[in-house]
Amino acid sequence: DGGITQSPKYLFRKEGQNVTLSCEQNLNHDAMYWYRQDPGQGLRLIYYSQIVNDFQKGDIAEGYSVSREKKESFPLTVTSAQKNPTAFYLCASSIKGGGGYGNEQFFGPGTRLTVL
Amino acid sequence: AQSVTQPDIHITVSEGASLELRCNYSYGATPYLFWYVQSPGQGLQLLLKYFSGDTLVQGIKGFEAEFKRSQSSFNLRKPSVHWSDAAEYFCAVGRNRGSQGNLIFGKGTKLSVKP
Repeated sequence: DGGITQSPKYLFRKEGQNVTLSCEQNLNHDAMYWYRQDPGQGLRLIYYSQIVNDFQKGDIAEGYSVSREKKESFPLTVTSAQKNPTAFYLCASSIKGGGGYGNEQFFGPGTRLTVL
Repeated sequence: AQSVTQPDIHITVSEGASLELRCNYSYGATPYLFWYVQSPGQGLQLLLKYFSGDTLVQGIKGFEAEFKRSQSSFNLRKPSVHWSDAAEYFCAVGRNRGSQGNLIFGKGTKLSVKP
């Protein structure tokens, strides 16, 4: 089955620790995205990548980092610099980036991160 | 700047009743519009999309949406709601080509269904 997988489903972090959230897709999509979701806030874009070895900051990139070494994988690291990391994190992909026609996004099941 | 507004944070309807969820967007040209649904603790699933052509768009699970340029709206409708439709619904608009990212999301409308 083609799709997007995220792991782990639940993640707990102590303050001051970095953690990495995994996102893998087997849809052969060029573009991948990370969103943060907080209650009543909708989805906010953290980082996105339109092609391997390239990525761009989204609206709320501070305290986060990403890499895109393989087409299938787009891991997100939540660093200790992120002041309020407790949230639900969603990874998505689309056939290609750049906005517009046909580029609906397909979402993974999400990772809930809690800082203890 | 592009934006999406979903005026209703929470809506409750009775099972079998009709449903309309509102979405207004701000965009200079013809927008690319989407509706997604999210069950608690899950990812988002695409319900339907509008790019051009017929302004009434049919989607999955019996949903439809109508694009009204004069009102800058893309409201989601369903003639008869089922208990399984209880979820959160997000409207989204495609960002300008060449701009960052891909979609701008509204803040969502949570739908509750009364038996």
